[in-house]
Amino acid sequence: EDQVTQSPEALRLQEGESSSLNCSYTVSGLRGLFWYRQDPGKGPEFLFTLYSAGEEKEKERLKATLTKKESFLHITAPKPEDSATYLCAVQAGKKSGGSYIPTFGRGTSLIVHP
Amino acid sequence: KAGVTQTPRYLIKTRGQQVTLSCSPISGHRSVSWYQQTPGQGLQFLFEYFSETQRNKGNFPGRFSGRQFSNSRSEMNVSTLELGDSALYLCASSSGAPGYGYTFGSGTRLTVV
Repeated sequence: EDQVTQSPEALRLQEGESSSLNCSYTVSGLRGLFWYRQDPGKGPEFLFTLYSAGEEKEKERLKATLTKKESFLHITAPKPEDSATYLCAVQAGKKSGGSYIPTFGRGTSLIVHP
Repeated sequence: KAGVTQTPRYLIKTRGQQVTLSCSPISGHRSVSWYQQTPGQGLQFLFEYFSETQRNKGNFPGRFSGRQFSNSRSEMNVSTLELGDSALYLCASSSGAPGYGYTFGSGTRLTVV
């Protein structure tokens, strides 16, 4: 069974204090690893897709990296507006009913204090 | 480019009633997936529809059902509501191909009293 574990569950940072969020996974045949950002009361917003170990993607203060067993979301010099829950999801190679249903982690709740 | 539209945004229902939620995906997307999100369980997959056919179903009781229309719009229905059905229900639109992420709607916040 595919498993996705995110850590830490919650993270408090001071503005400008860089840190990393972790997403470790166990799947057979990774098709894609996704990062989403979710603000309270809203749906998740797509950030990145990573497909293979060694791949990196960047967007503003966020950088996502991927290894064979985990992904990191690095946040450089965060601002209060980066406060949100960050979700990781993996899409495995096995097909079920002709589709590839992603498995989501429980998320990391990030609060950045000014 | 219009995003994913879910209606209504908020609902308050009484235990035992039924409810229908609606989702309009991004134009051209043929896959619509539904998720239930609660603080205790996170995002849990309900079902996926692709070209009007249910392609996959999660581990939810038969009280949860859905359908998709020829224009890709989708509805989900929950009958005989229970207090535990209170949650944020999210619709996710995609092309249906592997390796592509979802575009989520803002969700419907259902409260069962």
